[in-house]
Amino acid sequence: EDQVTQSPEALRLQEGESSSLNCSYTVSGLRGLFWYRQDPGKGPEFLFTLYSAGEEKEKERLKATLTKKESFLHITAPKPEDSATYLCAVQWETSGSRLTFGEGTQLTVNP
Amino acid sequence: DARVTQTPRHKVTEMGQEVTMRCQPILGHNTVFWYRQTMMQGLELLAYFRNRAPLDDSGMPKDRFSAEMPDATLATLKIQPSEPRDSAVYFCASAHPRLAAQGTQYFGPGTRLLVL
Repeated sequence: EDQVTQSPEALRLQEGESSSLNCSYTVSGLRGLFWYRQDPGKGPEFLFTLYSAGEEKEKERLKATLTKKESFLHITAPKPEDSATYLCAVQWETSGSRLTFGEGTQLTVNP
Repeated sequence: DARVTQTPRHKVTEMGQEVTMRCQPILGHNTVFWYRQTMMQGLELLAYFRNRAPLDDSGMPKDRFSAEMPDATLATLKIQPSEPRDSAVYFCASAHPRLAAQGTQYFGPGTRLLVL
């Protein structure tokens, strides 16, 4: 069964303390991997798309990377406004436009 | 500012009642998705449409759930009869024709459903 696993489930950082979130997936015809951010009481918001191993995307303090088995979301010098749940989603070659989401990592950045 | 809109934002109902949720996708987006989010299961795809035609509804309980797109500006998700286990946040998302296959989806604010 195609699966997407995120770790850790929750992460607490001090402002300025850099860290990484992980998303691993079963290897079976990945078309693309996507990162979304979700704030409490809101719908997920698209952040990045990654298609091939070695690819990297950056936006402000966030950088997403992709290998053949996992993706990392690196957060450099985070600020309290980066606090949110970060969701990873995978699109398989055989699944059309369907996305399979991971459980998410709940990030809290303390001032 | 183009957004996906959903109504109602909150719904409390009793078991056995019919629930209808509505979604207006972003103008020009031809792919519409319905998701359900719970603490236990996370975010799950229920169904999605392209050009108003259902493409995949494998995630939807067929006996009580139905999804339709009466026109390009309206998608509906109905539950009849509702059960307490249907309590969740239901999200609608839409995607531009060029970006749909690329996983870039725009989510609405969700309908928070509580079935007593």
